[in-house]
Amino acid sequence: DVKVTQSSRYLVKRTGEKVFLECVQDMDHENMFWYRQDPGLGLRLIYFSYDVKMKEKGDIPEGYSVSREKKERFSLILESASTNQTSMYLCASSSLAQIGSYEQYFGPGTRLTVT
Amino acid sequence: AQTVTQSQPEMSVQEAETVTLSCTYDTSENNYYLFWYKQPPSRQMILVIRQEAYKQQNATENRFSVNFQKAAKSFSLKISDSQLGDTAMYFCAATYNFNKFYFGSGTKLNVKP
Repeated sequence: DVKVTQSSRYLVKRTGEKVFLECVQDMDHENMFWYRQDPGLGLRLIYFSYDVKMKEKGDIPEGYSVSREKKERFSLILESASTNQTSMYLCASSSLAQIGSYEQYFGPGTRLTVT
Repeated sequence: AQTVTQSQPEMSVQEAETVTLSCTYDTSENNYYLFWYKQPPSRQMILVIRQEAYKQQNATENRFSVNFQKAAKSFSLKISDSQLGDTAMYFCAATYNFNKFYFGSGTKLNVKP
């Protein structure tokens, strides 16, 4: 079974802090994604990566950066946390080798509160 | 613009009955995949069912089936014999380039005993 893990289920940070959210997948997937989930807005893509050291902006990249130094690990960084970044953050991975599937596998999520 | 729309924010159904969740999407692509994902309360998002656009036959997975109307760009999910464990948020999603996914805003389904 594919396993996607995230470093924290719950996180509370103060405004202005630098925040790191870590995601690890164990299935050698090329693609990894960071989403933000807010009520009534569904999942919005922040960044995705299709290979080590490669990244592309999603729909809402402002205020975020990412790092992918190893294939299995994709980090989301909030350079200076703000209260409007309070949200649920979901990591996902997928593989283009899954021809006919293209399913995304999700982590459990990190609920971040910025006070 | 690629969009996915779920017009039902919340729905309720009695246990053992059937419920249909609606989804529409907008694309000019010919080849794409559509998905329904389930997110139980405080649990991980999991895939329920997928549909390939070039396949005319509607996908089914046990009690879950879809009604795929390509011309109308409609992709609804039917849950038969609803169970309490079906209580969850359901998200419709589409991928057109097989990397980026587009998600709807979700439908919260409550199955009542």
